[in-house]
Amino acid sequence: GQNIDQPTEMTATEGAIVQINCTYQTSGFNGLFWYQQHAGEAPTFLSYNVLDGLEEKGRFSSFLSRSKGYSYLLLKELQMKDSASYLCASMDSNYQLIWGAGTKLIIKP
Amino acid sequence: ETGVTQTPRHLVMGMTNKKSLKCEQHLGHNAMYWYKQSAKKPLELMFVYNFKEQTENNSVPSRFSPECPNSSHLFLHLHTLQPEDSALYLCASSLTTDMESGANVLTFGAGSRLTVL
Repeated sequence: GQNIDQPTEMTATEGAIVQINCTYQTSGFNGLFWYQQHAGEAPTFLSYNVLDGLEEKGRFSSFLSRSKGYSYLLLKELQMKDSASYLCASMDSNYQLIWGAGTKLIIKP
Repeated sequence: ETGVTQTPRHLVMGMTNKKSLKCEQHLGHNAMYWYKQSAKKPLELMFVYNFKEQTENNSVPSRFSPECPNSSHLFLHLHTLQPEDSALYLCASSLTTDMESGANVLTFGAGSRLTVL
């Protein structure tokens, strides 16, 4: 079966760095997405990786290892506004998105 | 505001009621989606429309009935729901359903929080 695993909840301190991991097992692979969802708001697109390696976008970076079926989202210089849920989704061979249950990130002062 | 607007934001209904959720986008997108989001569970794709034609129905019970009159509007008609249908219903749109480029990302609405009593 197809499966996405990510931690249910993480806590980090303002100003610090946090890494949110995502492992996937899908029938084929056509890329991995990260979305951010603040409580009561719409999920918004953060990143898309299809090749191995690290892609940096300001304070946020996303990493992919296709051979390991593994991705992570790295958030630097954490701010209180980064408190949100982070959704990982893998695209399978039929270009269907397989979603994880999301990681709730709590930032403490 | 993401460009995808959902109404109502909150809805409480009895099991015998009939209600509808509405989704509207003016992003020039041609594909629209309904997802169900339950606490601590992955997003569940319910329906997909591409250029007003339904292209996917993910074994959704018939008590959920979608309607897409044009590429900008999407409805989800609800009738005889069960308490386990209580969830956040998210609408999303994308340029097309062609995901091969990877750049065809989804734009979501903020959702309609449904409670079935």
